[in-house]
Amino acid sequence: AQSVTQLGSHVSVSEGALVLLRCNYSSSVPPYLFWYVQYPNQGLQLLLKYTTGATLVKGINGFEAEFKKSETSFHLTKPSAHMSDAAEYFCAVRHNYGQNFVFGPGTRLSVLP
Amino acid sequence: IAGITQAPTSQILAAGRRMTLRCTQDMRHNAMYWYRQDLGLGLRLIHYSNTAGTTGKGEVPDGYSVSRANTDDFPLTLASAVPSQTSVYFCASSIGQGINTGELFFGEGSRLTVL
Repeated sequence: AQSVTQLGSHVSVSEGALVLLRCNYSSSVPPYLFWYVQYPNQGLQLLLKYTTGATLVKGINGFEAEFKKSETSFHLTKPSAHMSDAAEYFCAVRHNYGQNFVFGPGTRLSVLP
Repeated sequence: IAGITQAPTSQILAAGRRMTLRCTQDMRHNAMYWYRQDLGLGLRLIHYSNTAGTTGKGEVPDGYSVSRANTDDFPLTLASAVPSQTSVYFCASSIGQGINTGELFFGEGSRLTVL
C-alpha cells in the first residue's frame, strides 16, 4: 500500500528565510506527486504537481519541488518565506490506474516576523 | 467559475439524526471524492466515484453512504450520526482515472459537529 510521510508536523521559519517541507512516499512504481496548501477555514489548493518529465517542478507563489526517485522524496522549497505563506501543506501521491490519492498528515508552516 | 460547491458550510447535529452533505461540481469531471479531515490524521478518503453511476469505498466508509446519479452531484449521507463523525468534510473532483491523471479540486468544506 502506498503511504506518504511528512517530517515535522509543524515548521517555523523567519520571514525571508528558506522554506523546506519534507515529503517521502513508499511506492513500488513512480507515482504522480502533488503538494497542496490549505489556508485557515478553506479547502485545499494545488501548489504544484509532478507527473512526468523534468523532475524539478515550479508551482505558484514561488514554491518548487524536486522529485528524487532514488530517495523516494518530493520535498517542497521556497527561497524566501513570506508571512502569507503561513498555512498547512499536504503532500499527496497517486498512481496511474485504479488508485486514489493518498495524503500525508500535513505540515503546518508558521512564518515569524 | 464556481468549481465545487458544498452545503451546508457548517452544521450542528444531534446524535442519531440523518444528515446529507451536498456537493456539486460544474467542471464536468468524471471522478468525485469525499474526504474527512481530522487534526493529526490529515485527509482520509470516505467514498469515491470514478464516473456517474458507480461508487466505491475509501479508507473510512463505515457510517457513510454516497450516490452518483449524474456527473455533477455527489451527496454524502450519514444515516445515523455519531459524535465520532464530528469533522470537516471535503468534497473533491478530478478529471478521471487512467493516463489523463488530473489533480484534485476541492470544495471549501463542511464543518459538522455531532453532539
